[in-house]
Amino acid sequence: NAGVMQNPRHLVRRRGQEARLRCSPMKGHSHVYWYRQLPEEGLKFMVYLQKENIIDESGMPKERFSAEFPKEGPSILRIQQVVRGDSAAYFCASSPPGGRYDTQYFGPGTRLTVL
Amino acid sequence: KQEVTQIPAALSVPEGENLVLNCSFTDSAIYNLQWFRQDPGKGLTSLLLIQSSQREQTSGRLNASLDKSSGRSTLYIAASQPGDSATYLCAVRRSGGGADGLTFGKGTHLIIQP
Repeated sequence: NAGVMQNPRHLVRRRGQEARLRCSPMKGHSHVYWYRQLPEEGLKFMVYLQKENIIDESGMPKERFSAEFPKEGPSILRIQQVVRGDSAAYFCASSPPGGRYDTQYFGPGTRLTVL
Repeated sequence: KQEVTQIPAALSVPEGENLVLNCSFTDSAIYNLQWFRQDPGKGLTSLLLIQSSQREQTSGRLNASLDKSSGRSTLYIAASQPGDSATYLCAVRRSGGGADGLTFGKGTHLIIQP
C-alpha cells in the first residue's frame, strides 16, 4: 500500500505566479488534510477535506489560497499570486473513513520557495 | 484556543539511555493525541496514537502515556539508538469547537550520541 504521495517535492516560483500542490491520499482513505510548516515554526493546520467537500478551512488564509478534493484525482492546494512569505513546506495527510478517531498519515511534503 | 507545548526543545543523550519527552496541551477536550517523528527535510512518521479514553500505547521500544485531565502526555524511549535521532512532535485532535485538524507542538530535537 503506497503511502501518501505529494508532488512536486520542490517547487520554485517567482512572486506573483501561481503554485499548485498535489496530494494523493493512501488507498482507501477519503479524508485529506493540508498543513504548512514555516521556517522555525511548528506545523499549522490549513484545511480538512473529504471527497468533493471542504469540511473545515479555518486555517486557510482568507485570500489567494484554495483547496479542492475532487471525486476523481488528487487533492490540490492552490496558491495564487505567491509572495515570499508563502515559502514553506506544505504537508498533506490522509486518514481512513473513521476520520477524527484515526491516525493521520503524512506525505513527504512540497517545499515551496518564492523568489 | 488549543496550545501544545513540548519540553525540552532539544535533548542530547548517549546511546543506550532511556529518555522521556514531554507534551502538554491546554484544552482537555480532545479526540486523541498522536506522536510523530520528523527527520530533516522529510515528512512525518506516525509513531503512536492514543485515543482520549486510553491511558497508554506501546510500540516496540516506545511507550506513550496520556493524562487527559491534566493535559499531559509523555513519550518514553527505551534503550535509545543513534537511529532515534530526529525531531519528535506531539499533536492533539480537538473535539468540540475549533479547528478540525491536528494542533502541533514545536517538537523536541533529539540527538543520540554513538
